[in-house]
Amino acid sequence: DAMVIQNPRYQVTQFGKPVTLSCSQTLNHNVMYWYQQKSSQAPKLLFHYYDKDFNNEADTPDNFQSRRPNTSFCFLDIRSPGLGDAAMYLCATSGTEGLQTQYFGPGTRLLVL
Amino acid sequence: ELKVEQNPLFLSMQEGKNYTIYCNYSTTSDRLYWYRQDPGKSLESLFVLLSNGAVKQEGRLMASLDTKARLSTLHITAAVHDLSATYFCAVELDNYGQNFVFGPGTRLSVLP
Repeated sequence: DAMVIQNPRYQVTQFGKPVTLSCSQTLNHNVMYWYQQKSSQAPKLLFHYYDKDFNNEADTPDNFQSRRPNTSFCFLDIRSPGLGDAAMYLCATSGTEGLQTQYFGPGTRLLVL
Repeated sequence: ELKVEQNPLFLSMQEGKNYTIYCNYSTTSDRLYWYRQDPGKSLESLFVLLSNGAVKQEGRLMASLDTKARLSTLHITAAVHDLSATYFCAVELDNYGQNFVFGPGTRLSVLP
């Protein structure tokens, strides 16, 4: 039973061509996160939503935007992808009561040509 | 600013041996998480440690938390090849499930 779903699993885009990655969850968690992970590095938090409250990390480039239209869905928009944006993008969710570990989706691997 | 360090960053060990991975962090927190990541895959939650002195065990892995020392350990007992992966610790900045800082990861290779 998939709990955090990401689509697509692989995305190829051209330099400068906007791309949208999607994440959905069946856990009804308040908090949703987007991470960028480059090869052999730790996940880097881009932003997170607490319900509809958007929290941007200070060093997240303006090129990255996010939308959360409802509890279940969250989108990552990359307005003008550069070669340096090629990475794995991980969506995660967590609740705010009890165990608060993050549940990660399978990730979307983005390739920029 | 919270900093999370792990050591070693790379670990190569023989099957059957024991070893410990260390995670230390710079700011008070009493919530720490361990994750496993296989190459090309996402992160899988291993342990949630929510208080000082917490100890959790699953199979050949045991994690502990000392909040006074700001230190968590992940102990591997009698390693097997299937444990080869990258292990991340993550520290929660607040208690509202919103703010996690990951360590750099420890890449473990278990050799036959």
